[in-house]
Amino acid sequence: GAVVSQHPSRVICKSGTSVKIECRSLDFQATTMFWYRQFPKQSLMLMATSNEGSKATYEQGVEKDKFLINHASLTLSTLTVTSAHPEDSSFYICSARAGGAGELFFGEGSRLTVL
Amino acid sequence: SQELEQSPQSLIVQEGKNLTINCTSSKTLYGLYWYKQKYGEGLIFLMMLQKGGEEKSHEKITAKLDEKKQQSSLHITASQPSHAGIYLCGGDGSGNTGKLIFGQGTTLQVKP
Repeated sequence: GAVVSQHPSRVICKSGTSVKIECRSLDFQATTMFWYRQFPKQSLMLMATSNEGSKATYEQGVEKDKFLINHASLTLSTLTVTSAHPEDSSFYICSARAGGAGELFFGEGSRLTVL
Repeated sequence: SQELEQSPQSLIVQEGKNLTINCTSSKTLYGLYWYKQKYGEGLIFLMMLQKGGEEKSHEKITAKLDEKKQQSSLHITASQPSHAGIYLCGGDGSGNTGKLIFGQGTTLQVKP
């Protein structure tokens, strides 16, 4: 089946630094990918929609200047957490759709810890 | 805003027993997705339901979507320890955009 891969799976950084997380669709092209955040023992919250070749659209309350999204190709979207702070520590997970109205597959997730 | 409620929040069953997890949406859905997650890991796709009254099965797991497309159930037959995990329902209420609202999850433990 379709596979979505994220990298890195775990990252620890110092407060004030920036961290980039990659989301790749391995065997299909995805014009749209989605980024979610999951805090411990909570469900997933949609952060933004990543659109290939155009600007991402952000959900209410998500700072677009803090969470930079780039979708430069049909198989890769990146999320950069800029000037990370401890409150940004979370599990970040992406999803991609195989085909216009097809199944939505999720990556393995990336756990960010900001010290 | 749309909300998804899952019940129960947690479930402990004896191996071999059947169980059902429910997911109720406050609005009509364009699509309902079921996933399984182990804590701290990614989501494993189980099933997608899009039509009212639709029912799908895979191995020992059956998912149904009601005619109004607001309620879904996930049924596991003859549960096994490998079924343990967190089950999440995700609803697309925004016109099949792929943007999902998730329920709070149901944690399943299966006792050998």
